[in-house]
Order: sequence, then structure tokens, then C-alpha cells
Amino acid sequence: SQQGEEDPQALSIQEGENATMNCSYKTSINNLQWYRQNSGRGLVHLILIRSNEREKHSGRLRVTLDTSKKSSSLLITASRAADTASYFCATDAGGANNLFFGTGTRLTVIP
Amino acid sequence: ETGVTQSPTHLIKTRGQQVTLRCSSQSGHNTVSWYQQALGQGPQFIFQYYREEENGRGNFPPRFSGLQFPNYSSELNVNALELDDSALYLCASSLVGTENTEAFFGQGTRLTVV
Repeated sequence: SQQGEEDPQALSIQEGENATMNCSYKTSINNLQWYRQNSGRGLVHLILIRSNEREKHSGRLRVTLDTSKKSSSLLITASRAADTASYFCATDAGGANNLFFGTGTRLTVIP
Repeated sequence: ETGVTQSPTHLIKTRGQQVTLRCSSQSGHNTVSWYQQALGQGPQFIFQYYREEENGRGNFPPRFSGLQFPNYSSELNVNALELDDSALYLCASSLVGTENTEAFFGQGTRLTVV
């Protein structure tokens, strides 16, 4: 399977703490994207990191990519209750936006 | 708001029936992809349409078919519905041909097959 795998499957933290989610994948990629999904709704694009990039920031989000290990991490700093959602990584696996998603990390931020 | 709209938002069908789901792409995008997301799982790629032709397909049987129209809107058709087809169906639009390849998703159609 070309799907990524997120780790952990579920994460519960206190508001203000940092949350780190990891993603591993199996094939070569052009880019890797992180998405957020509030329960049963559409996916919201968070950040895209290209295969030649190692780190990218967007507001409270920090994404790293290690293509040699085929892994990525998403760090959310100073978490808020509103960050409670499922987070997915998705790889293009060389295809033009044929995205392969992982199983997701369910993040719960406790106020 | 992503500018990608899907209809209907919810749908209940009986096993064996046929269903058509619709998606309007974000303005300026030329590619639409469809995904199936079962409860508790990540989205699974069904197929992609580019310039009104299928441009890649995931591991789904032929009873899943689609169309893309000149205005880049799209339909997903599923024939002979099975109980396991119950899922959230998501469409995503993107602009292929540039470096900016983010895919933007609609809110999905929740299909229940009984």
C-alpha cells in the first residue's frame, strides 16, 4: 500500500502544550501535505512541503520532512481547544494530486 | 471556505440502487479528484479527472464512474450500491500544471446505504 501511517493514532494534551504527530510513507514523493478534519466534515489543507524541503512553518505549525527515512512530523505549538480534530498526512506518490492518505491522528486538546 | 461545493450533504439509498454525487470545483482549477472515507479511516482515492478525462484511478470497481464537465464541475456515479459503500465522499479540486499543487476539499456527501 502507498498509504502513509500516522503516529500516534490518538493524542490528548492540555491547552497550551505542544502536539507532535508523525507520518511515515513507503514510496518516493514529490510533496507531502498535512490536512485537518473536524469530525466527519471536509478536509482543510494546512501545509505542503516539497521533497527538496526539510522544514516549513506556517503560524503555529511546523512541518519537517526526512525523505531518507520517508517520514514527516507536524508540530502544533501552544495548542488550543479549537485544534481538536483529526490530522492526516497525504503523499502524492509521484502522481498528479492522486493523494494517498494515512489513517490519521485524533488530537484532543483539553481546555 | 475552500470554494469547493458538494451536493447533497446527506443521502440515504437502498442496496442495489444507483447514486449521483456532485461537486463544483474551485474557480480556476482544472482537476477534480474523488475520495471515499469510511468511518475512522483516512480518505481513499477513487479517481481523478483532468480536462474531462479520467486521469488515474484507485482500487475501486467499474461501478464507480465519473464525469467532468467543461466548467470543471464533476459527478461521481455509483451503481448497484452495496452496504459497504456507506461512507463520506469527498471531492477535491486542484490546478495541475503549476508548482502550487494543494488540493482543496469540499465538505463531503455522507452516503448511507441501507
